[in-house]
Amino acid sequence: EVQLVESGGGLVQPGGSLRLSCAASGFTFSSYAMSWVRQAPGKGLEWVSAISGSGGSTYYADSVKGRFTISRDNSKNTLYLQMNSLRAEDTAVYYCAKDLLMIQMYYFDYWGQGTLVTVSS
Amino acid sequence: DIQMTQSPSSLSASVGDRVTITCRASQGISNYLAWYQQKPGKVPKLLIYAASTLQSGVPSRFSGSGSGTDFTLTISSLQPEDVATYYCQKYNSAPSFGQGTRLEIK
Repeated sequence: EVQLVESGGGLVQPGGSLRLSCAASGFTFSSYAMSWVRQAPGKGLEWVSAISGSGGSTYYADSVKGRFTISRDNSKNTLYLQMNSLRAEDTAVYYCAKDLLMIQMYYFDYWGQGTLVTVSS
Repeated sequence: DIQMTQSPSSLSASVGDRVTITCRASQGISNYLAWYQQKPGKVPKLLIYAASTLQSGVPSRFSGSGSGTDFTLTISSLQPEDVATYYCQKYNSAPSFGQGTRLEIK
């Protein structure tokens, strides 16, 4: 059974940093691209970042480019999102999501339950 | 950047009704389009990919169509459990979602 479990969310002041983690199990982690998708309270879905299965290719939404860094440790089956220079508008539930297919298409068949990041003073 | 626009933003329909939600891309995206269902308090669920391919386990009353810039999600006979917000997502380059369509039962 595929499982994605996020952690690392919390309350942080504007300008601060957080690192989110997503522990994956139930599939061959290194074979699939992974993404982070966020949802602000009461709002829609926003794709944030993606990484290829090998970790060699990364992609970012313009809203986070230069501030967030996606990475993965395939030996630990874990996806990460390092978030720096956080702003109030980054407040959201952050989901990790698995690609459906092993060909890096960036649409998602499994989602974690999400971790809440709140940026506030 | 390619923008995804859904219509309507919300709709109310009766059980058994045929429901159609539209998604329009600001530029052509071939068939690189997925649809998701998000029920209140739940994570999104993939319904359709490649514009018209039904994801495994999704009821056959859901269908998708379109190519290029105009796409539709159709529920052939609305059921109470279909109350949710529906999102389209393009994925041929930088993924992005439509703003969502909230579906309620009349």
